[in-house]
Amino acid sequence: GQSLEQPSEVTAVEGAIVQINCTYQTSGFYGLSWYQQHDGGAPTFLSYNALDGLEETGRFSSFLSRSDSYGYLLLQELQMKDSASYFCAVRDHEGNTPLVFGKGTRLSVIA
Amino acid sequence: DVKVTQSSRYLVKRTGEKVFLECVQDMDHENMFWYRQDPGLGLRLIYFSYDVKMKEKGDIPEGYSVSREKKERFSLILESASTNQTSMYLCASSPNTDSYEQYFGPGTRLTVT
Repeated sequence: GQSLEQPSEVTAVEGAIVQINCTYQTSGFYGLSWYQQHDGGAPTFLSYNALDGLEETGRFSSFLSRSDSYGYLLLQELQMKDSASYFCAVRDHEGNTPLVFGKGTRLSVIA
Repeated sequence: DVKVTQSSRYLVKRTGEKVFLECVQDMDHENMFWYRQDPGLGLRLIYFSYDVKMKEKGDIPEGYSVSREKKERFSLILESASTNQTSMYLCASSPNTDSYEQYFGPGTRLTVT
């Protein structure tokens, strides 16, 4: 079967750094994506890793280790507006296959 | 900007009714998806489509059907709504089979009483 594991909840202080982990067990692997969803909103794409290493986009970075079947989303200089749910998603086959989503991590940023 | 729209933000239906949820995307995307989202369960794929008139079952297709008669429109049909189908329904699209980015609509919160 396929599974993606991520913590259900994380709490962090405004201005701090937080890391949200994602481990996956899938039949194949063609990339790890991250999505952000605010309460009442639609998920929006944040980042994508196909190769090992760190991808940086402003305050957000995403890391992938294919040998460990593991990735993380790193949020720096946390702001209150970063409070949201974060989903990792894996493409496990080439061609016409949809993403497999994790169950999401609810991040609460506190003052 | 890609825009994915859904016909309703909130919908209340009675048990046994036939329900249509409509989704339209304006960027000529090949792929379209229907998910339902429930607390603690994340996003679960109901059906997806890679081309007009083509459909594939996702993880939880039971009790649902879909229609894609035009490229830009993907409809989710609940043939006979039940209370366990009360949920948030999200439509998404992506450009093609190599895409890793999906664009989501605002969602329809369906309540079946």
